[in-house]
Amino acid sequence: GQNIDQPTEMTATEGAIVQINCTYQTSGFNGLFWYQQHAGEAPTFLSYNVLDGLEEKGRFSSFLSRSKGYSYLLLKELQMKDSASYLCAVTDSNYQLIWGAGTKLIIKP
Amino acid sequence: GAGVSQTPSNKVTEKGKYVELRCDPISGHTALYWYRQSLGQGPEFLIYFQGTGAADDSGLPNDRFFAVRPEGSVSTLKIQRTERGDSAVYLCASSLGHGGTEAFFGQGTRLTVV
Repeated sequence: GQNIDQPTEMTATEGAIVQINCTYQTSGFNGLFWYQQHAGEAPTFLSYNVLDGLEEKGRFSSFLSRSKGYSYLLLKELQMKDSASYLCAVTDSNYQLIWGAGTKLIIKP
Repeated sequence: GAGVSQTPSNKVTEKGKYVELRCDPISGHTALYWYRQSLGQGPEFLIYFQGTGAADDSGLPNDRFFAVRPEGSVSTLKIQRTERGDSAVYLCASSLGHGGTEAFFGQGTRLTVV
């Protein structure tokens, strides 16, 4: 079967750094996405990794290791508005997106 | 349009009724996806259109669910004989291509079956 695992919930402090991990087992791999979803809103795109390594975009970075079936999303200089769910999704061999359940990130002052 | 538009934003219906949910994708996006999302879960794939045709409908839970995209733009998700278990947020997304391209989501339709 296909499976995406990420922690259910994480808590961090404003101004700090947090790393959200995602591991996957899928039938094939054609890229990994991270989306942010605020409560009651639609998911919005954060990053896309298809090759191994780190992709940096402002305060957010995403890392991929295809051999380990592993990715992480790194958020720096946390702000209260970063409180949201972070969804990891993998594109399989049929180019279908397989979604994780999301990690709810709580930012405390 | 500027973004993906879904109507209605909220729909309350009685068990056994028929409902239609509409999605207006971003102009020029050939790929259109329907997902269902329950509280605390990631989106669950329902169906994917490439142009007018349903390229993959393997996620539709049963034959009460049907979707169309007759002109390759607006899509309608139709649910017959609704059940309380159908209650969820139904998300629509569109993208320029299928697979390794960013998908843009609508705000969703919150369906409540009472």
